[in-house]
Amino acid sequence: RKEVEQDPGPFNVPEGATVAFNCTYSNSASQSFFWYRQDCRKEPKLLMSVYSSGNEDGRFTAQLNRASQYISLLIRDSKLSDSATYLCVVPRNSGNTPLVFGKGTRLSVIA
Amino acid sequence: ETGVTQSPTHLIKTRGQQVTLRCSSQSGHNTVSWYQQALGQGPQFIFQYYREEENGRGNFPPRFSGLQFPNYSSELNVNALELDDSALYLCASSLLDRPNYGYTFGSGTRLTVV
Repeated sequence: RKEVEQDPGPFNVPEGATVAFNCTYSNSASQSFFWYRQDCRKEPKLLMSVYSSGNEDGRFTAQLNRASQYISLLIRDSKLSDSATYLCVVPRNSGNTPLVFGKGTRLSVIA
Repeated sequence: ETGVTQSPTHLIKTRGQQVTLRCSSQSGHNTVSWYQQALGQGPQFIFQYYREEENGRGNFPPRFSGLQFPNYSSELNVNALELDDSALYLCASSLLDRPNYGYTFGSGTRLTVV
């Protein structure tokens, strides 16, 4: 299994739709997980941290399944401004550093 | 609180040349990590510095080297540039003992090797 693996997409969804991304990871000792958002030709920005079973922030919900070693990101009521690449991030070591990035899942929200 | 700043923002170099990229970490952060992001790929870990020492390294050749200074700023040096070194180079700062906070990235240096 790759260190971090994501479906590259692209996911093309209409405004208002619900969309979910999955990410699998290989390091069973990882404690913290992250979703980053990256706009075209910009730097990644932290969207959510996940270090228990899940985390919710407004329209965004991240869930963690340690047994199956996957993380998911759910976006409800998609907005045009949600169009971006979403990067799944997992620490390489049990010490939570360095962070290993997936290749990203590209989302396009269409009017 | 100042964020992470990188310089220069863009750079064009010729194959075989050497380049130095600079990064100032976010105020209060003691760890700097460097990543290379090729077009259409996720960021790839180059190395990390903590207390002026290398604290982990990715799968990059020795011609990629770095430094961290007492004020936690950092440099990435690449010798004998190759065409494949063309990428966005990202610097990220963090607190080594606060991993749950994630990394804060600078806006990157876009390097083109011709």
